[in-house]
Amino acid sequence: DAGVIQSPRHEVTEMGQEVTLRCKPISGHNSLFWYRQTMMRGLELLIYFNNNVPIDDSGMPEDRFSAKMPNASFSTLKIQPSEPRDSAVYFCASRERAMSNQPQHFGDGTRLSIL
Amino acid sequence: AQSVSQHNHHVILSEAASLELGCNYSYGGTVNLFWYVQYPGQHLQLLLKYFSGDPLVKGIKGFEAEFIKSKFSFNLRKPSVQWSDTAEYFCAVGGSSNTGKLIFGQGTTLQVKP
Repeated sequence: DAGVIQSPRHEVTEMGQEVTLRCKPISGHNSLFWYRQTMMRGLELLIYFNNNVPIDDSGMPEDRFSAKMPNASFSTLKIQPSEPRDSAVYFCASRERAMSNQPQHFGDGTRLSIL
Repeated sequence: AQSVSQHNHHVILSEAASLELGCNYSYGGTVNLFWYVQYPGQHLQLLLKYFSGDPLVKGIKGFEAEFIKSKFSFNLRKPSVQWSDTAEYFCAVGGSSNTGKLIFGQGTTLQVKP
């Protein structure tokens, strides 16, 4: 039973470069979440989708961040241009139904380092 | 504003000690409550959840949590911790009326000494 799959697991790049993080949710799940985790701010929700539609992107830090979900089995989080303060672990999570009493299932995360 | 507060940021215990991690929330309306655990270098995993019924909820690995509505609390407990419980623990709350969002606490790092 495959869980949430994220790629890459690690990304190191120079500031100013475009970064694309990828997520494949669990099959059949129709809600998808992007989080960022840092020591300073803990776990922050960036954006979430229900049925491929963005519902709440109020956590997206600024216009350099964008997220898409072109279909039920794939989502991307893009940072362009990247900055050192974007360094963090980015988690994707999916949930079976768009109801808050259902648990979210997390991927292994992408550890992003911007030099 | 909706918020979750975990009072203990870093807890150090010896094996076999009892554990209680505090979680208080601020949310108007009916809530759904979760505890997640993150072992070093791994992703968050669900420990237990509450959304209705018996306010004392039992989860995996011997953990339990009690929902006390009057105190807006959902504290996590374990009678006897093991070294393998060393991890970060997150409390999260979601409203039953909204369609998705969970608010996470800042997390509590538990270190269990063998």
